[in-house]
Amino acid sequence: DVELLESGGRLVQPGGSLRLSCAASGFNFRTYSMSWVRQAPGKGLEWVARISGNGAETRYADFVKARFTVSRDNSNNTLYLSLSDLRVDDTAVYFCARRTVAEDRWGQGTLVTVSS
Amino acid sequence: SYEVTQPPSVSVSPGQTASIACSGDKLGEKYVCWYQQKAGQSPVLLVYQDTKRPSGIPERFSGSNSGNTAILTIGGTQAMDEADYYCQAWDSSTGDVVFGGGTKLTVL
Repeated sequence: DVELLESGGRLVQPGGSLRLSCAASGFNFRTYSMSWVRQAPGKGLEWVARISGNGAETRYADFVKARFTVSRDNSNNTLYLSLSDLRVDDTAVYFCARRTVAEDRWGQGTLVTVSS
Repeated sequence: SYEVTQPPSVSVSPGQTASIACSGDKLGEKYVCWYQQKAGQSPVLLVYQDTKRPSGIPERFSGSNSGNTAILTIGGTQAMDEADYYCQAWDSSTGDVVFGGGTKLTVL
């Protein structure tokens, strides 16, 4: 079965940095694009970033403004999202998802809280 | 940037048909998919490429997309269908995806 397990979320101060991980199993990870999607408390889904299977192509939502970086390690079946210059409104559950013609499998999410 | 809009809430009686709209400029020229998210859970893909269902999704979930509006239709709505529903549009020219704000479905 396809499994995606996010980790790395925690409380961080404004301006701080964090790296989220997503461990994938049950599918040929290197052949799939992967996405990050976030959801602020009580709010809707917001697409964050996407990376191609070989890592050569990345795409980001406009609001990211070079603060976030998506990367992957295909030898360890792991997706990453590096967050920097964090703001209070970056507080959200961050989901990783496998991307085919849509985000067809999702992890359970990891909570990032940005607060002083 | 491109935007799609959904009604915040829709109500339906058990056994009836629910329709949830998603609107955007020339949305019919883009691929739309739909997700269901129950409270405290991760989203689940219900419909992709406007009308297609992943394996395991009941036939009573169906989608359409034309003009400026995509519609998710839930036939024979059940209490278990109470959830938030999100549309997502994919712009093939830019590769960007955008989510609608979500619609809370209440089965009264």
